[in-house]
Amino acid sequence: DGGITQSPKYLFRKEGQNVTLSCEQNLNHDAMYWYRQDPGQGLRLIYYSQIVNDFQKGDIAEGYSVSREKKESFPLTVTSAQKNPTAFYLCASSMDGGYTEAFFGQGTRLTVV
Amino acid sequence: QKEVEQNSGPLSVPEGAIASLNCTYSDRGSQSFFWYRQYSGKSPELIMSIYSNGDKEDGRFTAQLNKASQYVSLLIRDSQPSDSATYLCAVNVGGGADGLTFGKGTHLIIQP
Repeated sequence: DGGITQSPKYLFRKEGQNVTLSCEQNLNHDAMYWYRQDPGQGLRLIYYSQIVNDFQKGDIAEGYSVSREKKESFPLTVTSAQKNPTAFYLCASSMDGGYTEAFFGQGTRLTVV
Repeated sequence: QKEVEQNSGPLSVPEGAIASLNCTYSDRGSQSFFWYRQYSGKSPELIMSIYSNGDKEDGRFTAQLNKASQYVSLLIRDSQPSDSATYLCAVNVGGGADGLTFGKGTHLIIQP
């Protein structure tokens, strides 16, 4: 089945620790995105990538890093520089950027302990 | 500032009635408009996409776009309790290259 797979579903981070969230898609989409959602809030763009080996910062990129070495994969690292990382993280992909609809993975819920 | 605005609600609608959800956007260069439904604790799922002025119907859902007024809406006919969710409006501000910008969503409650 085609789709977007995020893992893990739940993740716990200790203070000062870096963690990496996985996102894989088999839809052959060029564009991939990472969004953050806080309770009662909409989605805020962290990073996006239109093609392999290229990515751009979104509205809230500080404290996060990404890579796009393969078309299918777009992992997000939450670094210790992100002071308030507890949130619901959503990965999405679309065929050609914002012109067409984006499809979402099931999300990763990150909690700082 | 490129913005997408929605009334956060909650919007309460009796079962069987029409639910009307509204969204305004600030960037006149926007070309693509989407409505997503999000159940609590779940990821958003696409309901409708609309690209040109007018109405687009899909089953019980109708999306309406008015680019002159920078306004997009979603109508849900014969509302069911299962329609209770948060509805997110998404717009490709900046002409599309920067991905989608989301509103904060409208919480819809369908009362049995």
